[in-house]
Amino acid sequence: KQEVTQIPAALSVPEGENLVLNCSFTDSAIYNLQWFRQDPGKGLTSLLLIQSSQREQTSGRLNASLDKSSGRSTLYIAASQPGDSATYLCALKVIFGQGTTLQVKP
Amino acid sequence: DTAVSQTPKYLVTQMGNDKSIKCEQNLGHDTMYWYKQDSKKFLKIMFSYNNKELIINETVPNRFSPKSPDKAHLNLHINSLELGDSAVYFCASSQGVTGTEAFFGQGTRLTVV
Repeated sequence: KQEVTQIPAALSVPEGENLVLNCSFTDSAIYNLQWFRQDPGKGLTSLLLIQSSQREQTSGRLNASLDKSSGRSTLYIAASQPGDSATYLCALKVIFGQGTTLQVKP
Repeated sequence: DTAVSQTPKYLVTQMGNDKSIKCEQNLGHDTMYWYKQDSKKFLKIMFSYNNKELIINETVPNRFSPKSPDKAHLNLHINSLELGDSAVYFCASSQGVTGTEAFFGQGTRLTVV
């Protein structure tokens, strides 16, 4: 059964830093992997979807990579801003990680 | 236009009551989902329907009954509400069952008192 783990659970960085969020999964037979953002009290916003045949996807300051052989995905955020503060979740089909709560300090 | 919309956004009710949450999507997707997010913010799949057919039915109490009248709607009915049912319930939709991009509603915060 697929298990998805996100480390760290929480992260606090000063504004302007580049940062990496990690997502690991146990079953490499996947279709795709999706990264979401959740603001407090809000729903989930889709950030990036990586198909199983792809290695990475980029959207603005976000870059997500996928390495099926090692069961890992990373979400890279460049030049972080206070507005990036939120919880970031990765999901494989219907299985979600626990999320990483990011705080970017001005 | 909201892609996936849930009603109500907030629901406060007493133990033992029966309540329903409605979900509608205007994306033309054929697959819809219900998730539960507990107090620790962990998201867990409850049900999924594809073309009105139940395809995922995780271990949830049978007090929870989903109903899909058509591909664009998936409602969640909960009987005999308990304190432990308090959570945020999210509806989502996608095209197909192989994990294409999923879109979420804004959530329904259910509080059982």
